[in-house]
Amino acid sequence: AQTVTQSQPEMSVQEAETVTLSCTYDTSESNYYLFWYKQPPSRQMILVIRQEAYKQQNATENRFSVNFQKAAKSFSLKISDSQLGDTAMYFCAASSPQGAQKLVFGQGTRLTINP
Amino acid sequence: GAVVSQHPSWVICKSGTSVKIECRSLDFQATTMFWYRQFPKQSLMLMATSNEGSKATYEQGVEKDKFLINHASLTLSTLTVTSAHPEDSSFYICSASWASTAKNIQYFGAGTRLSVL
Repeated sequence: AQTVTQSQPEMSVQEAETVTLSCTYDTSESNYYLFWYKQPPSRQMILVIRQEAYKQQNATENRFSVNFQKAAKSFSLKISDSQLGDTAMYFCAASSPQGAQKLVFGQGTRLTINP
Repeated sequence: GAVVSQHPSWVICKSGTSVKIECRSLDFQATTMFWYRQFPKQSLMLMATSNEGSKATYEQGVEKDKFLINHASLTLSTLTVTSAHPEDSSFYICSASWASTAKNIQYFGAGTRLSVL
């Protein structure tokens, strides 16, 4: 079974700063996928970024990038030039390409961007 | 990105009544749909996984007779909360995915807030 842990319940930074959200996971699978989802106050879950475990190169999406450390089972999210619209709950998640492809979510990190 | 529509966004009902929530994939055919429950300030808890044309697979501890899931087509899944009680009040979220190129990505509906009086 997979488990995902986010150890930072809340974080707060000033607009335009860079912030890094931590995530660790545990899995016995050799191949798997890792995700960061964002849930703003509207509560709509939005995919931020995705990483395939067999790819060594860290995924990037504009201001969002990940630091994927497979051996350490760590998958942190870096947000550069943070914007007020980045204020949201951020969930780290993992899934296996096998079977039902269920997502296992971490506890979430509440990120607040201050003006 | 793919669009998933969930309806209604908010429903209030009396204790003992049943409530149906719809989840539709608008621009793709969803081979698999998922139903989650989210309590305030908590993470998403998977309730069940459904594949078109077959019975849903429920997570441990989820009452299948209480939470009826139907996935009759590749674009529609429904969750019916039967004989709802105040403890069923929560935020319910659906998601949908498809095989092949989607690579495990789930696209989420906007959620339904259920309040049982």
